[in-house]
Amino acid sequence: EAGVTQSPTHLIKTRGQQATLRCSPISGHTSVYWYQQALGLGLQFLLWYDEGEERNRGNFPPRFSGRQFPNYSSELNVNALELEDSALYLCASSRYGTGELFFGEGSRLTVL
Amino acid sequence: RKEVEQDPGPFNVPEGATVAFNCTYSNSASQSFFWYRQDCRKEPKLLMSVYSSGNEDGRFTAQLNRASQYISLLIRDSKLSDSATYLCVVNPSNTGKLIFGQGTTLQVKP
Repeated sequence: EAGVTQSPTHLIKTRGQQATLRCSPISGHTSVYWYQQALGLGLQFLLWYDEGEERNRGNFPPRFSGRQFPNYSSELNVNALELEDSALYLCASSRYGTGELFFGEGSRLTVL
Repeated sequence: RKEVEQDPGPFNVPEGATVAFNCTYSNSASQSFFWYRQDCRKEPKLLMSVYSSGNEDGRFTAQLNRASQYISLLIRDSKLSDSATYLCVVNPSNTGKLIFGQGTTLQVKP
């Protein structure tokens, strides 16, 4: 069974640009979560989607947004990139509300 | 106060040692708890869920103390392969907003 897949693996952008990160969940999982892991810091909750709807949001500015598609895949958009947005962005999926998350390998975003 | 707090370590122990990690959480309404493991430059992976009655999986034992709002993980007979960062995770009120601790780093030495 395929795990959670994320793309791209690495992304380099400059300040002010926009970044789009993509995630495909495990088959049968309806929930997708996004986390940010900056260097030396813990995982910070960004967003939770389930059945195409945003269910919860972390303490991030509105320029962090996303969506979930009918096939349960998801994308995370970061607008007006800032240097401090440089981090590993991890996507995870689960069956609804179980808390047992399966993570992808992450997308490493570097903002120059 | 952080929502989930862990001693970052590192914990350096010899092979075969028993090591325990603690984690405290601030939201008394938290409903479910987990331990995840993260190897260097890898994604986190679920190690075990933590149940009210405590649970054991091989060399690993997890305990929950709701009154004191802490969770513990005990690793017996440490192996070199146990070297990793252990993340305490709390799900406040089953909102789906899982809160991760900063992690405790374990180094098992030969």
